[in-house]
This record gives sequence, C-alpha cells and structure tokens, in this order.
Amino acid sequence: SQTIHQWPATLVQPVGSPLSLECTVEGTSNPNLYWYRQAAGRGLQLLFYSVGIGQISSEVPQNLSASRPQDRQFILSSKKLLLSDSGFYLCAWREGQPNQPQHFGDGTRLSIL
Amino acid sequence: AQSVTQPDIHITVSEGASLELRCNYSYGATPYLFWYVQSPGQGLQLLLKYFSGDTLVQGIKGFEAEFKRSQSSFNLRKPSVHWSDAAEYFCAVGRGATNKLIFGTGTLLAVQP
Repeated sequence: SQTIHQWPATLVQPVGSPLSLECTVEGTSNPNLYWYRQAAGRGLQLLFYSVGIGQISSEVPQNLSASRPQDRQFILSSKKLLLSDSGFYLCAWREGQPNQPQHFGDGTRLSIL
Repeated sequence: AQSVTQPDIHITVSEGASLELRCNYSYGATPYLFWYVQSPGQGLQLLLKYFSGDTLVQGIKGFEAEFKRSQSSFNLRKPSVHWSDAAEYFCAVGRGATNKLIFGTGTLLAVQP
C-alpha cells in the first residue's frame, strides 16, 4: 500500500534562517505531489505542485521554493524565513488519473521566532 | 472563479444526534468533490469522494454525502455522531488534469456528551 512521510513533525526556526522540509511517498510511481500551507483558522492554501521530476508549478508568489529531485521526493525550501512563513505545512500525493483523491501526510508545524 | 463555501465555521452537536455539514461550490463543469477530516495537529484524511454516478456516496466512519447539482451542494451527513467525530471537516472541489483542490475554510465540529 501507499504511504506518505513528512519530516520533521515540528520545527522552530529563527527569522532569516534557511528551511528544508521533506516529503516522500512509497508504493506508487510518478505521483502528482503537492505542498499546502494551513494558517490558523483558515483553509488550505496550495503552494506548489509537481507532475514529474523537476517539474514544479508555483501557485502563489512567496518566500518559498519547491524541488522534486526524485520521483517520490518533494522538498519545500526557503533561503531566509520570514515570520509570515509560520504555519502547518502539508504534503499530499495523488495518482496520475484526474479523478483520484489526494492523500495527505501528517504535516509539519513550523514556528518562526 | 471556482470556489467552495462552508457556511458553518463551528458546529456543536450532542453525542448520538444526527449531523449535517454544508458545502456549496462554484464550478463551471462537473466537479470532483471530496470531504476530508482533520484531527488536531494531524493531516487530512479522506472521508468520501464524488466523481459521477449515484449522487449519494458512502464513506468511511459512517459518513455519507449527497451531490445536488441544482443546488451546487455536497453536504456531509451522519445519522448518529460519536465523540470521536470531533474534528475539523473540509469540503474540496477538484479541477483540471492536475486535480488541484480548492478547499473550503472548514467546519469545526464539537461533540457534547
């Protein structure tokens, strides 16, 4: 069966520090991959999605970037974190067919001090 | 533009009572519709999905939802709520070949003993 892993589960970082969050999927090939951010009291905001290795689409201009160095690996990065980058970050994957649902990881709680 | 509205931000029901969570969407074509549940500090778990066919769909944990095209609604129901159902519920609509999801802002469900 397919599984998705996100780490770390929680992270506290100072303003201006770099960031790297990792997401890996097991048990499937060529999935669509997604990064979301969930701010307190708000819904989910799609940040990036990828349909294949090296293919990244950005949904909103921001301080973050994403990369997909391997088929089942999706990384969210920043060179210099801002206070506004705080939030709950969720990775998700989906099979290639359009009518398949997205499946989510357990998330990373990022706090910027 | 596509959108999803969950008009109830917070709902409290008594254990054993019935539940209906509302979801309205705006989408030009036949949508892919989903309901997810999120426990505090966790990722999202898929409850059920609608793509086509029977407009009443059954999901996990005793939940069901009914697609009503004339009302642009996809309301979630459960005949008898359990204390473990306390969580936040998100309605989402999928669009495009990449199945990017648009989420509602969520409904937080509290269950009274």
